[in-house]
Amino acid sequence: QKEVEQNSGPLSVPEGAIASLNCTYSDRGSQSFFWYRQYSGKSPELIMFIYSNGDKEDGRFTAQLNKASQYVSLLIRDSQPSDSATYLCAVTLWRVQGAQKLVFGQGTRLTINP
Amino acid sequence: DVKVTQSSRYLVKRTGEKVFLECVQDMDHENMFWYRQDPGLGLRLIYFSYDVKMKEKGDIPEGYSVSREKKERFSLILESASTNQTSMYLCASTGANNQPQHFGDGTRLSIL
Repeated sequence: QKEVEQNSGPLSVPEGAIASLNCTYSDRGSQSFFWYRQYSGKSPELIMFIYSNGDKEDGRFTAQLNKASQYVSLLIRDSQPSDSATYLCAVTLWRVQGAQKLVFGQGTRLTINP
Repeated sequence: DVKVTQSSRYLVKRTGEKVFLECVQDMDHENMFWYRQDPGLGLRLIYFSYDVKMKEKGDIPEGYSVSREKKERFSLILESASTNQTSMYLCASTGANNQPQHFGDGTRLSIL
């Protein structure tokens, strides 16, 4: 089983709709969860992080975490064409001297159709 | 805002060359990381450093070494470049525990 799994997509969503991106992870000890957006040819850009069970909202983005089910999701409301990108889920695996190792999923390619 | 600067956006080198990739961060972060990203393989950790002169291997350290002589600078070294090291290389940094990693713009390295 992969440590962090995402549906690779492509996920196609009409403009203005809600895009739902999902991620599961294997290590029950993971404590920190991150969502990065990556445009083609660019580096990953942090858009959300969540540490506690429940929902965390930031503008049009909502991250949801369920540690019991080992599941984290990202909702994008009122999707815009500029949201078209690959979304990477990242989960902490272990720490060495305070440095956390992040494990990344393969990414979900999201396309917003005008 | 965190600023992570990688020295080159694009680089072309020849097999057997020694290649240096430089990364500088301006936030006094303790932790710095080097990744490579390849289609179908995702982001993979090469090396990381949690303090000056301290380094730890990641998942794919073979063929690479690193140097951290100053807190703000973390260098990745390809000792003898090979074609299978053609990739996008990404540097990241982070401060205190649980804080997110912030990435530089990346270096697209081609080894011919």
